[in-house]
Amino acid sequence: EAGVTQFPSHSVIEKGQTVTLRCDPISGHDNLYWYRRVMGKEIKFLLHFVKESKQDESGMPNNRFLAERTGGTYSTLKVQPAELEDSGVYFCASSQGNIQYFGAGTRLSVL
Amino acid sequence: TQLLEQSPQFLSIQEGENLTVYCNSSSVFSSLQWYRQEPGEGPVLLVTVVTGGEVKKLKRLTFQFGDARKDSSLHITAAQPGDTGLYLCAGFYSSNTGKLIFGQGTTLQVKP
Repeated sequence: EAGVTQFPSHSVIEKGQTVTLRCDPISGHDNLYWYRRVMGKEIKFLLHFVKESKQDESGMPNNRFLAERTGGTYSTLKVQPAELEDSGVYFCASSQGNIQYFGAGTRLSVL
Repeated sequence: TQLLEQSPQFLSIQEGENLTVYCNSSSVFSSLQWYRQEPGEGPVLLVTVVTGGEVKKLKRLTFQFGDARKDSSLHITAAQPGDTGLYLCAGFYSSNTGKLIFGQGTTLQVKP
């Protein structure tokens, strides 16, 4: 069975540009989570989808971040416009219970 | 504000030594988990502790949840080079949320 897949694995963009990260959860998992680790800090929760609905988006930093999960399958996280402080590793996880399975992450570098 | 304080942040030891990693908070958690992360990969769950005072063992790894459910520890006996990696503690404030609160992690290096 395929695990959580994230694309791209690494993205380098300039400040002000737009970037879209994609997460494909484990098939059948209703819950999908986005987390972010900024250098030197702990992994922080961004938001939680249950199917296509946003259950908890309390961790989203500001309105430059937009997460979608149309159809309740894969999810995208768009950053527009990107700022320097958005650099970090973005993890996606999915679950069908209390165990969250994490993807390998997308390393975003904003120059 | 760091909600889960994990210590130490870095640990370099010789093969065969024992070590303990601590995870402390002023808040009560409904459950606490320990993850291991390898370079280029996501965190992988090792164990979940739910009951205050609970002790779980996974081969040479022993996990303990504090009586008040505010702290946890990971003890490795006779560390091996294969134990090298990043260890993360993370907790749920309540059983009704999927939001995990992470500690900063402990980078462990076990030298042969």
